[in-house]
Amino acid sequence: KQEVTQIPAALSVPEGENLVLNCSFTDSAIYNLQWFRQDPGKGLTSLLLIQSSQREQTSGRLNASLDKSSGRSTLYIAASQPGDSATYLCAAPPGGGSNYKLTFGKGTLLTVNP
Amino acid sequence: NAGVTQTPKFRILKIGQSMTLQCTQDMNHNYMYWYRQDPGMGLKLIYYSVGAGITDKGEVPNGYNVSRSTTEDFPLRLELAAPSQTSVYFCASSPGDTRHSTDTQYFGPGTRLTVL
Repeated sequence: KQEVTQIPAALSVPEGENLVLNCSFTDSAIYNLQWFRQDPGKGLTSLLLIQSSQREQTSGRLNASLDKSSGRSTLYIAASQPGDSATYLCAAPPGGGSNYKLTFGKGTLLTVNP
Repeated sequence: NAGVTQTPKFRILKIGQSMTLQCTQDMNHNYMYWYRQDPGMGLKLIYYSVGAGITDKGEVPNGYNVSRSTTEDFPLRLELAAPSQTSVYFCASSPGDTRHSTDTQYFGPGTRLTVL
């Protein structure tokens, strides 16, 4: 059974700082891994999806990496802004299984202080 | 496109009551999902559907039922509400990419349910 862990559970940084959020998963035979953002009281928004054949995926100030051999993914946020404050969740499918049965981590609550 | 819409936004139920959470998507996606999110926890998959007429259990299906009569709609039914079903419920959909590797899920805004 896939298990997903996110560290840290919460992170508070000053505006402008670069930061890294960590995600680990137990079954590495995955097709992809996804990062989502959740604002308070809202649904999830997909940020990045990294295919198993890729090592990195970038969108603006966000960069996600995937290392299947170590069972880890990181989300790098450059030059953080107060608008980045949200909960970030990673999700992985079962190893070798269908993409739709995602297992989510508990998330990292990010606060960017002005 | 409105994306994924859910109704109601909030609901309070008494123990033993029944209700249906509605979910509709207008993106012509094949796959649809129901999740619940408890405070401080990740999302747990309740049920999913890979197409009209096809549904299957996720990780936490007990106490819930679903149906998928059309591509667009995927209602979630609670038959006998219990306090343990107090949670935020999210519906999601995805295209159902047969290559598996690029299928992204799109989420609705959620329904906050309290059972007293």
